[in-house]
Amino acid sequence: GEDVEQSLFLSVREGDSSVINCTYTDSSSTYLYWYKQEPGAGLQLLTYIFSNMDMKQDQRLTVLLNKKDKHLSLRIADTQTGDSAIYFCAEGYGSGYALNFGKGTSLLVTP
Amino acid sequence: SQTIHQWPATLVQPVGSPLSLECTVEGTSNPNLYWYRQAAGRGLQLLFYSVGIGQISSEVPQNLSASRPQDRQFILSSKKLLLSDSGFYLCACLTSGDQPQHFGDGTRLSIL
Repeated sequence: GEDVEQSLFLSVREGDSSVINCTYTDSSSTYLYWYKQEPGAGLQLLTYIFSNMDMKQDQRLTVLLNKKDKHLSLRIADTQTGDSAIYFCAEGYGSGYALNFGKGTSLLVTP
Repeated sequence: SQTIHQWPATLVQPVGSPLSLECTVEGTSNPNLYWYRQAAGRGLQLLFYSVGIGQISSEVPQNLSASRPQDRQFILSSKKLLLSDSGFYLCACLTSGDQPQHFGDGTRLSIL
């Protein structure tokens, strides 16, 4: 698929909020996803949002979707050092429901 | 919920050797199954997906092939590995279109 765009790096202080942004490409995507990858590990699903929603909140995580601009964001409140990881935005596409991933945003949380 | 098993966890192979990576799924039936590769850096690229036994769709032409001999088994193979096949291979499972994909723990493949 075409590129899903994410900024590559983000550094925040512990206790602050983190906002990771993503621009996707397929306006027909039904679902949009956020995955987390810790060093050496596989992908862990964090949250996902249906395309007819504009916001979803799940504990410290808030997802905002602007379908007009094809913009997705993930806000992590009260960011902790354990949140340091790579965060991937992904859009579902095609009849096989495959995922098109961004290159990931490395989040570094400093004490 | 489903559990995805991948093995081996790590593998070191010489150039030109064959490859077989296996992925099996428990806790669901008739899932969609996927192979992704994460090359150095971190982008994930879809390699193959399967919507049923014996049904394989390839996303990019390459040195690899995939097979689905059983409903919950997905195999990634190569007859002769290239240096460029190095990477982190992830298997994923989808139970229905309104559910997210879940991933296995991956196989880290190094080609020498």
